[in-house]
Amino acid sequence: KAGVTQTPRYLIKTRGQQVTLSCSPISGHRSVSWYQQTPGQGLQFLFEYFSETQRNKGNFPGRFSGRQFSNSRSEMNVSTLELGDSALYLCASSLGRGPPYEQYFGPGTRLTVT
Amino acid sequence: DAKTTQPNSMESNEEEPVHLPCNHSTISGTDYIHWYRQLPSQGPEYVIHGLTSNVNNRMASLAIAEDRKSSTLILHRATLRDAAVYYCIPYIQGAQKLVFGQGTRLTINP
Repeated sequence: KAGVTQTPRYLIKTRGQQVTLSCSPISGHRSVSWYQQTPGQGLQFLFEYFSETQRNKGNFPGRFSGRQFSNSRSEMNVSTLELGDSALYLCASSLGRGPPYEQYFGPGTRLTVT
Repeated sequence: DAKTTQPNSMESNEEEPVHLPCNHSTISGTDYIHWYRQLPSQGPEYVIHGLTSNVNNRMASLAIAEDRKSSTLILHRATLRDAAVYYCIPYIQGAQKLVFGQGTRLTINP
């Protein structure tokens, strides 16, 4: 079974621009979560989608948004990029919501904001 | 969020067992204990989880203390590929999110 895929793998953007990242979950998985990883803050939860609805949101500004499509694929968008948004963005999929379901992570999208 | 305490780093030798401890004294009775690891330049990888009983899978074993305030991840024969940051995460019922701490950076010597 194919794993979680994320595109693009690397991205360089300029301050003030916006960016859209894509995630394709494992086939059959309906829950998709997004995380941000930075050297200073570590791995932090952004949001979770299930059945095309955002079910849970982390402590991030409204510039961070996302959506999920009927085939469970998900996108996240960051508008008005800031230098501090440079990070590894990870997508994870799960068969169901919450414990005990384990999450399977993709390789991430490395975003650099200049 | 339940608080966890893990050693910042540990070191072991190839082909020897490794015991990675985690203290999660504020865990509640319905919270699962999940372990993930992150190899260099990769996303986190699920390792194992448990609730009350000890658990085994092809990657590792998880020993959970009787009072559930601590657990130990056991790698039976470490390989160089096991060098990673290991995260112990109490997966809280109703939270539907993983809260990652700093984890333990495991170094394996050849």
